[in-house]
Amino acid sequence: DIQMTQSPSTLSASVGDRLTITCRASQSIGNWLAWHQQKPGKAPKLLIYRASSLESGVPSRFSGSGSGTEFTLTISSLQPDDFATYYCQQYTTYSGTFGPGTKVDIK
Amino acid sequence: EVQLVESGGGLVKPGGSLRLSCAASGFTFSSYPMNWVRQAPGKGLEWVSSISSSSSYIYYADSVKGRFTISRDNAKNSLSLQMNSLRGDDTAVYYCARVRNTAMIDIWGQGTMVTVSS
Repeated sequence: DIQMTQSPSTLSASVGDRLTITCRASQSIGNWLAWHQQKPGKAPKLLIYRASSLESGVPSRFSGSGSGTEFTLTISSLQPDDFATYYCQQYTTYSGTFGPGTKVDIK
Repeated sequence: EVQLVESGGGLVKPGGSLRLSCAASGFTFSSYPMNWVRQAPGKGLEWVSSISSSSSYIYYADSVKGRFTISRDNAKNSLSLQMNSLRGDDTAVYYCARVRNTAMIDIWGQGTMVTVSS
């Protein structure tokens, strides 16, 4: 099974900050990686797919990069609406394994 | 508007059964594979089960294999999860999710809470 890890697990930041979250896969997954955002008490929401493609309607301050085993999600200028937990998901296999999540909270 | 609405959650005793349903609207349901994903309180996301668009392929996580059954009715635009022999560690919010590209989830339902407790 492909295992996913994320770092950091928690990130404290301020509005306007640029921040980067890293996701690693236990084996190469090409660019078959998605990022989801989840706010407390809400369902997750797809932000990025195929490592770097922005889902329709998602603000351009979100970007993704990487391939193989290492990937990053970058928020260029953090907005109040962005405080949430972010999950990466590999989708090379039917199980679509998720990373453990990175919580972005207010510094 | 593309929408997934789950129902059927609730409180059930260990060893009991529950059937979750998911009503889909706003897209051609029969064209998409579907997933169930769960999230235990305060924890991360865990894939539970997948079903292909025509029900030809069905997969389960090891943690639920033999106890849960996924099914769909394309004529009624609905997805179901029959959960038997429920345990405390099945307590979670269960999300119905649309799949695009192998296993990538692009649409999530709002979730339904399942609590297994005596």
